[in-house]
Amino acid sequence: GAGVSQSPRYKVAKRGQDVALRCDPISGHVSLFWYQQALGQGPEFLTYFQNEAQLDKSGLPSDRFFAERPEGSVSTLKIQRTQQEDSAVYLCASSLGGLARDTQYFGPGTRLTVL
Amino acid sequence: QKEVEQNSGPLSVPEGAIASLNCTYSDRGSQSFFWYRQYSGKSPELIMSIYSNGDKEDGRFTAQLNKASQYVSLLIRDSQPSDSATYLCAVSNSGYALNFGKGTSLLVTP
Repeated sequence: GAGVSQSPRYKVAKRGQDVALRCDPISGHVSLFWYQQALGQGPEFLTYFQNEAQLDKSGLPSDRFFAERPEGSVSTLKIQRTQQEDSAVYLCASSLGGLARDTQYFGPGTRLTVL
Repeated sequence: QKEVEQNSGPLSVPEGAIASLNCTYSDRGSQSFFWYRQYSGKSPELIMSIYSNGDKEDGRFTAQLNKASQYVSLLIRDSQPSDSATYLCAVSNSGYALNFGKGTSLLVTP
């Protein structure tokens, strides 16, 4: 079946612009995660949804970052007033349940470059 | 900050050899341990998971976990050039969020 998809795959923004990144999880997956991966680093957790509920947003770097999953499927990560330090690959992952042992399947990521 | 540490490498091994990748973690409450492979420009792909002390084998891959020493490793037998990638160690104690190391770059030379 189809995996996790993300769009756009690449986004270039001027500093100060707002951006919206979309994630389509695997159908039926309850849990959805956003991670940020800077160049040469491992992914860092941003936020977690179980269905439409955002259960953890402790990893969001600032109040410029906002995520939603209103109907429990597609999710959007929004970054307001982008800064150069926001440049990274934003990875979305989904898993069937909400257990630690559930495999997280990653999408291809959105590479954000802020000029 | 609960940390996951990996040697960044690169680790270079000849084709057919055993590659040994290591990871230490600081949170004693960690319950689940994962190894992901990430090719350049691609997303992480799960290759092994382990939850209890000891060894777990899957084909050419063996994961080893020692919770007392807070240490997890991945052995790749009969390494192939196609195994050349970055290997990410990930640890979870919360039931959901993964805490990743920086990854070890592996290069398998023909």
